[in-house]
Amino acid sequence: DIVLTQSPLSLPVTPGEPASISCRSSQSLLHVAGDNVLDWYLQKPGQTPQLLIYLGSNRASGVPDRFSGSGSGTDFTLKISRVEAEDVGVYYCMQGLQGRITFGPGTKVHLK
Amino acid sequence: QVQLVQSGAEVKKPGASVKVSCTASGYTFSDHYIQWVRQAPGQGLEWMGWINPDSGGRNLAQKFQGRVTLTRDKSIGTASMELSGLTSDDTAVYYCARVIFGVVSGPNYGMDVWGQGTTVTVSS
Repeated sequence: DIVLTQSPLSLPVTPGEPASISCRSSQSLLHVAGDNVLDWYLQKPGQTPQLLIYLGSNRASGVPDRFSGSGSGTDFTLKISRVEAEDVGVYYCMQGLQGRITFGPGTKVHLK
Repeated sequence: QVQLVQSGAEVKKPGASVKVSCTASGYTFSDHYIQWVRQAPGQGLEWMGWINPDSGGRNLAQKFQGRVTLTRDKSIGTASMELSGLTSDDTAVYYCARVIFGVVSGPNYGMDVWGQGTTVTVSS
């Protein structure tokens, strides 16, 4: 199975400041159709996961534009341009290549 | 609105089976794959498998093959996941989730709508 590695695993943040999380894959996630099959989710404390970014760089419906996804192949990044207090939680990357899904270990984002 | 509503919490003894249902509303059930994901207490997300609500085709993570059965009933817009041979390691919140794109695109993509989760506790 494809292994996803996230860094850092814990990220203290300051509201108003930028933040970024890295996700690296053990294999290229570039699909034959030309898309990167890599998504980002946020699970806020006590809540269900919510989709932030799909296909590497597309914001899901209703996601604020302070969230952006980039990268291709094996290296991906989620950026928050200006962190807000409501952004705390665990961020997961997920790959769906070949119809078999794996998640990264998660990055816990918390206020300093 | 588009939503997935799951069945209620379950408490089971080791060796038993549990069946979790997931009922869709606000969209055409057959148009989107359903994924199943679980989360043990304090742990990360673990993919279990998917089902194509239109054809009934399914795929399971290797870890769950032989123990998990995925089914769907198009007439009532419900997908179900049955897990047998329960152990304490199966204590978790179980989620169903809808794949963002239509079935013609395949199951490989993000999950944009999630059920509220079903807590399954395995205890003697």
